[in-house]
Formats: sequence, structure tokens, C-alpha cells
Amino acid sequence: GQSLEQPSEVTAVEGAIVQINCTYQTSGFYGLSWYQQHDGGAPTFLSYNALDGLEETGRFSSFLSRSDSYGYLLLQELQMKDSASYFCAVPRPLNRDDKIIFGKGTRLHILP
Amino acid sequence: EAGVAQSPRYKIIEKRQSVAFWCNPISGHATLYWYQQILGQGPKLLIQFQNNGVVDDSQLPKDRFSAERLKGVDSTLKIQPAKLEDSAVYLCASSSTAGRIEKLFFGSGTQLSVL
Repeated sequence: GQSLEQPSEVTAVEGAIVQINCTYQTSGFYGLSWYQQHDGGAPTFLSYNALDGLEETGRFSSFLSRSDSYGYLLLQELQMKDSASYFCAVPRPLNRDDKIIFGKGTRLHILP
Repeated sequence: EAGVAQSPRYKIIEKRQSVAFWCNPISGHATLYWYQQILGQGPKLLIQFQNNGVVDDSQLPKDRFSAERLKGVDSTLKIQPAKLEDSAVYLCASSSTAGRIEKLFFGSGTQLSVL
């Protein structure tokens, strides 16, 4: 079966760095995505890693290790507006079509 | 570019009533998804369309849920009759590729409360 594990909550201080981990078990694997969702809002795409290594986009970076079935999202210079839920997601192969399966999400609390 | 449009934004109904949600994806996006998101959980895929054909509906409770995608563009999701456990946010999303999905674009969702 397919499973994604991520911590339910993480707390960090404004201006600091925080890492949100995600481990996955899938029968097939194409890559790891991250989405951000503010309360009452829609999930928005942050990043996608198809290959091992670190992808950087401004204050956010995402890392993937396929051999460890592990990835993380790194948020630097935390701002209060980064308080949100973060979901890792993996596509699950289905015949020749893929669909994205989401983890349960990590709620990020930022303290002033 | 215009995003994914959904309506209504909120809906309150009593159990055993019917309800319908509408979604207009981003222009040109062939793949459309309906997700159910219960408070505190990640989105759960209900149904995926490729153009106007169903790719996957394995997690759609077909005894009460139905969905269609007219002419490969707009889509409606219907619940009849609703149960208390259907209270959730229903998210519509679209993407531009079907084979290798890299990015989904989500609408703002419809928050359904079943009383």
C-alpha cells in the first residue's frame, strides 16, 4: 500500500529555520511534492523533487533521498505568514496515469 | 491566468438532503480532480478525470456520490443523500499533465456542513 508519514505539528520561532520531514512507502515512485495550506485556504504548490538532492526556491528548500524514501521541506527566515499546514505528496502510478496521494499534513506554529 | 473556480463557497444542509458542487478548471487543463478534506487531515482523492473520462474513482462512495465532467471542462460533484460524515471541504484541482503529475492547482473549495 501507499503511506506517507509526517509530524502532525511543529513549532518554531520567527526568524529561525524549521525542517518538516516526510517518509513514504509506495509501490512506485516518481517524486515528492510539497503543498502549503493556510487555514480556510486552498493547498498551493511549493515544490517537486524528482531527483535526489536539494531544490531551493527563495526561503523554501526541499530535499529528497530516494534510497531512504525520505524527504524534507526546509523553511528559512521564518515569518508569521508561514504559519500554515504543510503536506507532502507522492504520485501513485495507476496504469499509465498518476494521481497524487497526500500525507496528513504538518501544522507549523510560529512564535513571535 | 484565472485559477480554478468553485462554487458555492459554503453549504449547510441537513442529513439525507442533496447537494451539488461545481468546478471550472484552469483553461486547457485536461486533468481534473475532486478531493475531500476532513478537518485536520490531508486531501483524499475522490475522483480523477482525464478530459471527460474517469481515470480513477476507487475512493468515491458510489452509493451516494456522483460526478461528471461535461465536455471535458466543467465538473459537478453531487451527494445524495448526505450523511453527517460527509461534512468536509471539497476541493477541486486541475493539472496540465496526466502522465507525470508535478503540480496541482486547487480551487478555494466548498465547505460542507451536514447537520
